[in-house]
Amino acid sequence: EDKVVQSPLSLVVHEGDTVTLNCSYEVTNFRSLLWYKQEKKAPTFLFMLTSSGIEKKSGRLSSILDKKELFSILNITATQTGDSAVYLCAVVNGGSNYKLTFGKGTLLTVNP
Amino acid sequence: KAGVTQTPRYLIKTRGQQVTLSCSPISGHRSVSWYQQTPGQGLQFLFEYFSETQRNKGNFPGRFSGRQFSNSRSEMNVSTLELGDSALYLCASRSEVNTQYFGPGTRLTVL
Repeated sequence: EDKVVQSPLSLVVHEGDTVTLNCSYEVTNFRSLLWYKQEKKAPTFLFMLTSSGIEKKSGRLSSILDKKELFSILNITATQTGDSAVYLCAVVNGGSNYKLTFGKGTLLTVNP
Repeated sequence: KAGVTQTPRYLIKTRGQQVTLSCSPISGHRSVSWYQQTPGQGLQFLFEYFSETQRNKGNFPGRFSGRQFSNSRSEMNVSTLELGDSALYLCASRSEVNTQYFGPGTRLTVL
């Protein structure tokens, strides 16, 4: 059974700090890894990673995948209170059908 | 392009009733997936439809069913509701490059 484990489960930081969120996975037929941000509504897409070692970047957020060690990290630099959210990691099992397995998420709280 | 839309946004039902939720994907997306999100279990995959065919199913009882229409709109049905079915039900549509976009969700409360 596919499995995604995120750590830490929750994190409290001050504005301006840099945070690193972790996602490790086990999947029988890896296709891609997705990161989402969820505030008090539906998850919004951040990144899709398919290749090892290639950093994806969007503003203060960046992410990288290690397919050998089966993990990904999401970095947020110069955090702002608006970054407070649950960050979800999901892996896509590309087998014969497309199936997404989500981790439980990391709750990030950024205090002013 | 309009995003994924779901109706209704909120529902309150009682145990034993049944409910139908609706999802309209992003225009041009042919794949629709459904998820259940609860505080304890997180986001759990229910099923995926592509071109009116169910292609994949998660570990949920047969009370949970769905279908997809020729215009890619999808419905999800839950029969004989239980208290534990209270959750946020999310629908997501998938692009050709396999990025999933979520709708706003339907918050179901079972009393």
